[in-house]
Amino acid sequence: DQQVKQNSPSLSVQEGRISILNCDYTNSMFDYFLWYKKYPAEGPTFLISISSIKDKNEDGRFTVFLNKSAKHLSLHIVPSQPGDSAVYFCAASAQGGSEKLVFGKGMKLTVNP
Amino acid sequence: GAGVSQSPRYKVTKRGQDVALRCDPISGHVSLYWYRQALGQGPEFLTYFNYEAQQDKSGLPNDRFSAERPEGSISTLTIQRTEQRDSAMYRCASSFQRGGHEQFFGPGTRLTVL
Repeated sequence: DQQVKQNSPSLSVQEGRISILNCDYTNSMFDYFLWYKKYPAEGPTFLISISSIKDKNEDGRFTVFLNKSAKHLSLHIVPSQPGDSAVYFCAASAQGGSEKLVFGKGMKLTVNP
Repeated sequence: GAGVSQSPRYKVTKRGQDVALRCDPISGHVSLYWYRQALGQGPEFLTYFNYEAQQDKSGLPNDRFSAERPEGSISTLTIQRTEQRDSAMYRCASSFQRGGHEQFFGPGTRLTVL
């Protein structure tokens, strides 16, 4: 039973356009959410996070939106760049964030020049 | 600065052998986590430590799996009597402290059990 779901396995966008990556969760105890980016042959790299007390967190080109009532979060990348091409994982945790992370299956983003 | 390191990067073993996977976390990081990742899936939690204390081992699949972090730094994940279904990428992560902090992942150990 997947508690964190990334229902789209892949996304392809043009350079300069917006990339929107979606994630849904089922466990209402989750209070901290993270996005990780993973390049081939490397470990996942932390990208951005959001606490459940917020509904938006922005860091440069990356913004994460949280809709608690819908148990949905999204990552917006704008403008998208070819170097953003990677697999993106959504993750969630309960009890403040440094407890165990529950990951989605990941979504492959391709940004075309 | 140095990130999380894991060794070996690749391990091929025969069914029934024991393997030990090592994780060297970022210096000063309090918490250390082990995950297992199957192809096409996200990492799946196995166990974690705060300092040398194992806080949660609920993700360990069975009693063939064990982990230790005796001095609160380097950790070893041991799999006894390996089986083919144990083949996966084993990832280690560390975080500076508990509570609202991101985990930093190592490159992983790819385990193949023949």
